[in-house]
Amino acid sequence: KQEVTQIPAALSVPEGENLVLNCSFTDSAIYNLQWFRQDPGKGLTSLLLIQSSQREQTSGRLNASLDKSSGRSTLYIAASQPGDSATYLCAVRLSGGYQKVTFGTGTKLQVIP
Amino acid sequence: NAGVTQTPKFQVLKTGQSMTLQCAQDMNHNSMYWYRQDPGMGLRLIYYSASEGTTDKGEVPNGYNVSRLNKREFSLRLESAAPSQTSVYFCASSAQPTPYEQYFGPGTRLTVT
Repeated sequence: KQEVTQIPAALSVPEGENLVLNCSFTDSAIYNLQWFRQDPGKGLTSLLLIQSSQREQTSGRLNASLDKSSGRSTLYIAASQPGDSATYLCAVRLSGGYQKVTFGTGTKLQVIP
Repeated sequence: NAGVTQTPKFQVLKTGQSMTLQCAQDMNHNSMYWYRQDPGMGLRLIYYSASEGTTDKGEVPNGYNVSRLNKREFSLRLESAAPSQTSVYFCASSAQPTPYEQYFGPGTRLTVT
């Protein structure tokens, strides 16, 4: 069974700092990995999707990398801003069972002005 | 674009009552999903529908039923609500066959007393 872990569970950083969020998964036979942000009391907003054949994806100040062999993905946020404060979730879709997606429990990020 | 919409936003039920959560998407996606989110548990898949006319169980289907009414709509029914079903319910959709990027609705916050 796929297990997805996000450490740390919470992170507090000063504004302007570059930071890295981690996502680890146990089964490397994945189809894709998706990063989301969730604001309190809201739904999930898709940030980046990395297919299994890709090593990284970039959108603005966000860069997500994928290393299937080590079962790891990282989300890099450059020049953090208070508006980046949210919970960040990663979700892993397995190959074969395309509809089965396993979510991590998230990292709650606070960016302090 | 409305994206994925869910109704209602909030609901309080008494144990044993029934209700249906509604979900609709306007992105012409084939696949639709129902998740529940509980503190410390992450999102867990309840049911999914890979295409119109098909539904399958996810990780936690007990106590729920679903209907894929048409390509746009996917409903989740609680026949006899229990306090353990107190949760936030999210509907999502994704395109097939690639890239399976998921888009989420705003959620329904359900309390069963």
